[in-house]
Amino acid sequence: GENVEQHPSTLSVQEGDSAVIKCTYSDSASNYFPWYKQELGKRPQLIIDIRSNVGEKKDQRIAVTLNKTAKHFSLHITETQPEDSAVYFCAKLTITGNQFYFGTGTSLTVIP
Amino acid sequence: DVKVTQSSRYLVKRTGEKVFLECVQDMDHENMFWYRQDPGLGLRLIYFSYDVKMKEKGDIPEGYSVSREKKERFSLILESASTNQTSMYLCASSRDREHTEAFFGQGTRLTVV
Repeated sequence: GENVEQHPSTLSVQEGDSAVIKCTYSDSASNYFPWYKQELGKRPQLIIDIRSNVGEKKDQRIAVTLNKTAKHFSLHITETQPEDSAVYFCAKLTITGNQFYFGTGTSLTVIP
Repeated sequence: DVKVTQSSRYLVKRTGEKVFLECVQDMDHENMFWYRQDPGLGLRLIYFSYDVKMKEKGDIPEGYSVSREKKERFSLILESASTNQTSMYLCASSRDREHTEAFFGQGTRLTVV
């Protein structure tokens, strides 16, 4: 189906530690997997994405890995900072290219 | 910058009222979406549209309808508002199948009393 399972639902880390959020999906038709960050009271914004022909992508302190065989992808944030505190959503895009389905979100708190 | 604008930030409506939520994007995007956001449930797709006058149901279309008469505007309609439709509603748009980033509006917090 179209479900995207996301874990954990909440995550607290000490400043400077790493945070990892994982998502799994069940269909074989998705080929684009973005991650969105939503700060309190604000709209979700894209922070990183990966396409199915790539296994890993990195942008400064954030990275995304994709295992298409196992149908899971993960967000990695290193050297966390208080401003990383937000809700993070994974998503997938259907092969037709026009339907986004989101995970249930992870509330990340970085403790100074 | 892409701008996706929702007509209201906060709305309070009575049970049974017909409610219109409006969304406008200014970048000629083909795709537009309506989601509702509830704690612990994430973003759930209500309807999406990939062209003028075209619409497709998402995961939770019951109790909702949509209208896309012009490319830049996508309206969500609650035919007869109910208390279980109290939620945050987010509109989004994306350019096309090749340019896939979704841009979100600021959200409309709807309360049905």
